[in-house]
Amino acid sequence: AQKVTQAQTEISVVEKEDVTLDCVYETRDTTYYLFWYKQPPSGELVFLIRRNSFDEQNEISGRYSWNFQKSTSSFNFTITASQVVDSAVYFCALHNTDKLIFGTGTRLQVFP
Amino acid sequence: KAGVTQTPRYLIKTRGQQVTLSCSPISGHRSVSWYQQTPGQGLQFLFEYFSETQRNKGNFPGRFSGRQFSNSRSEMNVSTLELGDSALYLCASSLASGVPPYEQYFGPGTRLTVT
Repeated sequence: AQKVTQAQTEISVVEKEDVTLDCVYETRDTTYYLFWYKQPPSGELVFLIRRNSFDEQNEISGRYSWNFQKSTSSFNFTITASQVVDSAVYFCALHNTDKLIFGTGTRLQVFP
Repeated sequence: KAGVTQTPRYLIKTRGQQVTLSCSPISGHRSVSWYQQTPGQGLQFLFEYFSETQRNKGNFPGRFSGRQFSNSRSEMNVSTLELGDSALYLCASSLASGVPPYEQYFGPGTRLTVT
């Protein structure tokens, strides 16, 4: 079965704290793709990153970084020095046969 | 470049009615996918259209249908509305379909309320 689990329903931090959002996935495929999307209060999902199963290099983009570990089927997302504008719901997703399977999302609230 | 547009943004319908939602993809994008988002079920895939053909379908009843036009614009239709159809319906466009998967760009959604 293909499944994405985001165990953290809601996380609250104070501005400038670092925060890590967890994502665990299940798939029998050897080739697969993982995504992270951000959904701000406006409702529109914003693409953050795509990673294929053969590329286990960690990636950093500004304050964002992703840690992909096939051994534990995890694709975690870290925001360094969080800001109020980072407040949103973050979704991890697994691409399977032309569709995205989303996790239930983690709501991040960053307080000033 | 204009983003994905969805119309209408908000809709209130009565049980038993039908509704049509529209999605205009980013210019040059040929694939359109639809998702339903509810608090209880989260984000669920409805269907994907590419070059006017439905390529994939999620696990939804036949009351949910869609189509794509030659200009890549897409519509989805829900017939015989039920209270449980109240949701945010999101449309996403991408350059093409297949593997490796292309980045999907989402629209702002249509908030459907069924009373």
